[in-house]
Amino acid sequence: KAGVTQTPRYLIKTRGQQVTLSCSPISGHRSVSWYQQTPGQGLQFLFEYFSETQRNKGNFPGRFSGRQFSNSRSEMNVSTLELGDSALYLCASKAGQETQYFGPGTRLLVL
Amino acid sequence: GENVEQHPSTLSVQEGDSAVIKCTYSDSASNYFPWYKQELGKRPQLIIDIRSNVGEKKDQRIAVTLNKTAKHFSLHITETQPEDSAVYFCAASRSGANNLFFGTGTRLTVIP
Repeated sequence: KAGVTQTPRYLIKTRGQQVTLSCSPISGHRSVSWYQQTPGQGLQFLFEYFSETQRNKGNFPGRFSGRQFSNSRSEMNVSTLELGDSALYLCASKAGQETQYFGPGTRLLVL
Repeated sequence: GENVEQHPSTLSVQEGDSAVIKCTYSDSASNYFPWYKQELGKRPQLIIDIRSNVGEKKDQRIAVTLNKTAKHFSLHITETQPEDSAVYFCAASRSGANNLFFGTGTRLTVIP
């Protein structure tokens, strides 16, 4: 099976802009989670979607949002970008109670 | 919420030696503990995981031990090789939950 894919891989934005990142899970996986990875804060959970519904949410401001489509693909959106939003954004998919498999990430740089 | 602490932050070992990374967690309801390896510029990859009904699990040169009473778990890598050099993350979550709480990572360097 193909692994988790994310697009785009790299992105440069300026403060105040918004950005949309995309994640395609492993075929058959209905759960998609998003994480933010930074050198200072490490890997932090953003939110998780299952069957188009957000099931769980981390401690991030409302500028961070997401959605999931009927084919389990997921997008996350960050509005009004801040310098501190520069990070590697990882999505992970899983089936049932099994392991989460990570995508390669989208590296976002906010200038 | 869950708090996972990981030590050491950096670890250097000679090739062939063993490496041990330790993590503690705070939420007694956590019962799933995966370990991920992340090489530079790459995605985190699961290397081993353990559930709370098991005390130890081995996979070739890698083993994980869990002490539920003390709320700590450890990763053991034996006969280390240069390709083991990477950042290793421990994580914890509750059964049925889909958010992993990660430790801060350990940068392992295996010196040839």
